[in-house]
Amino acid sequence: AQSVTQLDSHVSVSEGTPVLLRCNYSSSYSPSLFWYVQHPNKGLQLLLKYTSAATLVKGINGFEAEFKKSETSFHLTKPSAHMSDAAEYFCVVKPTGNQFYFGTGTSLTVIP
Amino acid sequence: GAGVSQSPSNKVTEKGKDVELRCDPISGHTALYWYRQSLGQGLEFLIYFQGNSAPDKSGLPSDRFSAERTGGSVSTLTIQRTQQEDSAVYLCASSLPGLRAEAFFGQGTRLTVV
Repeated sequence: AQSVTQLDSHVSVSEGTPVLLRCNYSSSYSPSLFWYVQHPNKGLQLLLKYTSAATLVKGINGFEAEFKKSETSFHLTKPSAHMSDAAEYFCVVKPTGNQFYFGTGTSLTVIP
Repeated sequence: GAGVSQSPSNKVTEKGKDVELRCDPISGHTALYWYRQSLGQGLEFLIYFQGNSAPDKSGLPSDRFSAERTGGSVSTLTIQRTQQEDSAVYLCASSLPGLRAEAFFGQGTRLTVV
């Protein structure tokens, strides 16, 4: 069975401090993994993706994620939060060439 | 246009009416997905089309929901006899085939049933 668990429904950080959004997955296969961001009243935008190449993946806007197979995790990080990072973040697993499985999302608040 | 296009962007309908939501995927993308996002919730999978294969309809919540994809391109999601619980943002996405391909999302259609 395939599933994605985003461990925090809400994360609040101060501007300029690091961001950590946690994601664990389960998959019967070696999946591709993605992080998407959704700003208020906007569509979903791809932040980054892991597709079995380098385990540390760099994305847009300074975000990166590390694939850890032994921990079945794909946590999203950013060294320094910006006000514009406030949004909903979704971790997504694609275990085969077909379906995407979405986590329930993490709402990031950035405090000035 | 380079992106996934959805129309209308907003739709207000009366309970009991039928609605049609349209999705124009990115040219060349053989996979097309419909999701539903209720206020403050995650994404609920509805239906998936891949090329000429039979669609995966396993996420459709009731037989009032149906979707078709004509000519392997444009897709229409139809909701018959709308109910207030159908109010949500309906998102369409398309992708190339294969494990490594990401999904590209449209801006969504916000459906309000009054």
